[in-house]
Amino acid sequence: GAVVSQHPSWVICKSGTSVKIECRSLDFQATTMFWYRQFPKQSLMLMATSNEGSKATYEQGVEKDKFLINHASLTLSTLTVTSAHPEDSSFYICSARPRDTQYFGPGTRLTVL
Amino acid sequence: GESVGLHLPTLSVQEGDNSIINCAYSNSASDYFIWYKQESGKGPQFIIDIRSNMDKRQGQRVTVLLNKTVKHLSLQIAATQPGDSAVYFCAERTYSSASKIIFGSGTRLSIRP
Repeated sequence: GAVVSQHPSWVICKSGTSVKIECRSLDFQATTMFWYRQFPKQSLMLMATSNEGSKATYEQGVEKDKFLINHASLTLSTLTVTSAHPEDSSFYICSARPRDTQYFGPGTRLTVL
Repeated sequence: GESVGLHLPTLSVQEGDNSIINCAYSNSASDYFIWYKQESGKGPQFIIDIRSNMDKRQGQRVTVLLNKTVKHLSLQIAATQPGDSAVYFCAERTYSSASKIIFGSGTRLSIRP
């Protein structure tokens, strides 16, 4: 299957700082990527759809000014958690699809102290 | 709104037996369904998918059944192995939802030796 990577795999930061997470499609181009968040023992919740060359589309209840998304190229989308707080601690997962099948990255564990 | 739910949060199966994981969905407009496997600390892994114009699809040791009449989806795993231990999610996508994939709540599958 297609490969989606994320960096970093985990990050610990202080409250109030910003954290950037990268999502890359390694063997295909993706005009659209998706960002999910997953709390412990819960399902994945779609946060936003990242669109190459245009603004991201955010799901209801997701603050666009807090979770900045940039889809700079056909293989890279970034999620920046701004002014992070402990409640933002979660597992962030991106995904993309070369055709119909949607593939997921390995996730990024964010811990905000 | 869209929702995908699972009947059972946990399932314990004897090694070598078949596993059946069930899922109910509510959006009759959903036209594409996917099963994902997620191991601890990792991103979801694609297992198998099925379109709404089908009622059965088989893969290697896995079969997905779709009953559109009662909006029910199931994943059957033959000869369950210890490596099948994970959380399994069903997910749905509707053409009208900009290809967003929405996840159900998940079923944890544990294997008894």
